[in-house]
Amino acid sequence: GQQLNQSPQSMFIQEGEDVSMNCTSSSIFNTWLWYKQDPGEGPVLLIALYKAGELTSNGRLTAQFGITRKDSFLNISASIPSDVGIYFCAGPQGAQKLVFGQGTRLTINP
Amino acid sequence: DGGITQSPKYLFRKEGQNVTLSCEQNLNHDAMYWYRQDPGQGLRLIYYSQIVNDFQKGDIAEGYSVSREKKESFPLTVTSAQKNPTAFYLCASSPGQRLYEEQFFGPGTRLTVL
Repeated sequence: GQQLNQSPQSMFIQEGEDVSMNCTSSSIFNTWLWYKQDPGEGPVLLIALYKAGELTSNGRLTAQFGITRKDSFLNISASIPSDVGIYFCAGPQGAQKLVFGQGTRLTINP
Repeated sequence: DGGITQSPKYLFRKEGQNVTLSCEQNLNHDAMYWYRQDPGQGLRLIYYSQIVNDFQKGDIAEGYSVSREKKESFPLTVTSAQKNPTAFYLCASSPGQRLYEEQFFGPGTRLTVL
């Protein structure tokens, strides 16, 4: 089946730094979704992308739908402590399901 | 407020017992999903339902069962046949109106089998 590979698997940064992470697929996607999961909670949708080349922002977060349609990128500017968590990318698997990446765990040193 | 509720937040069971996890949504969503999350891993789909009285197996359905008798409810039973039931279980829903659409998650239930 389809697989999503997220990179890096974990990040340790200083507060205030910018963050970049990406997600790649073995096949073409028509939608990319980015979620954030706080410890012990369910994931929350951050950004949805529906068009190749699309660049969408949500506050300090910016996500891009790769031109090849096989990748997507998430950037966080000027990180703050509440950005800590696990970031997941997801894309459609068939017509009715989503497939998720394994996540990028973000840790911030104050 | 509209949302998805899962109860309980923490659940402990003895090995060999079946246990049912609750998932309720008041978003009027047609589709509902159950995922399993293990430490350091992504989400794996257990079962999903696109409409009342219908559901399909996901990638790791063995040892689990579900029902969808009401639109707002999608309970998951972890049976004694599930070899490694200890995990974090997440329920999600989506409107079901478009092919590729975002799913909304509940807060999760952490199941520990002793």
